[in-house]
Amino acid sequence: SQQGEEDPQALSIQEGENATMNCSYKTSINNLQWYRQNSGRGLVHLILIRSNEREKHSGRLRVTLDTSKKSSSLLITASRAADTASYFCATASNDYKLSFGAGTTVTVRA
Amino acid sequence: GAGVSQSPSNKVTEKGKDVELRCDPISGHTALYWYRQSLGQGLEFLIYFQGNSAPDKSGLPSDRFSAERTGGSVSTLTIQRTQQEDSAVYLCASSFGGRREPQHFGDGTRLSIL
Repeated sequence: SQQGEEDPQALSIQEGENATMNCSYKTSINNLQWYRQNSGRGLVHLILIRSNEREKHSGRLRVTLDTSKKSSSLLITASRAADTASYFCATASNDYKLSFGAGTTVTVRA
Repeated sequence: GAGVSQSPSNKVTEKGKDVELRCDPISGHTALYWYRQSLGQGLEFLIYFQGNSAPDKSGLPSDRFSAERTGGSVSTLTIQRTQQEDSAVYLCASSFGGRREPQHFGDGTRLSIL
């Protein structure tokens, strides 16, 4: 069953703008991960944030986690055409299974 | 190095036929996962292999679905007597195991049941 829910479902932005998407989940977690999926390809791991962390950066990516609200956000700064993809959050709880949301489709216009 | 390899990349078959999907994980990865992704949806967990432990089959949707992993490496997902609702992209992932290890995905097999 899906635990994470991404918002918005779709996002269209101009190249150079920032893109923000959110993920909400229902049960307690060990960590939360973000993945990217280009059309027709598999998922690529972007970043992992542990339940005791509040913010994490990786290049142009910034992830926040608020365990009290059971939510996370992914910010992509200075977007590029190559950032066009679907982005999924995935939560890891007490075992090895990842529970994925339905994703946010991001389109970056040139 | 080589990533996760899945074959075939596309499979079209008639309803009622059996299909086999193959996954070749990254060398050294002990954990292997199968997921199903329907159009525009997230990933649905199917089955998990970890080393020599018994696999977690709790996500398999029916007894028509089975999977094996030979020699701790290559895995095959078999769907018997395929139905139209089995049409989806089947993704395989591997990792070093554990909750904090990122999963590395193949590009999937797009299965279409006519």
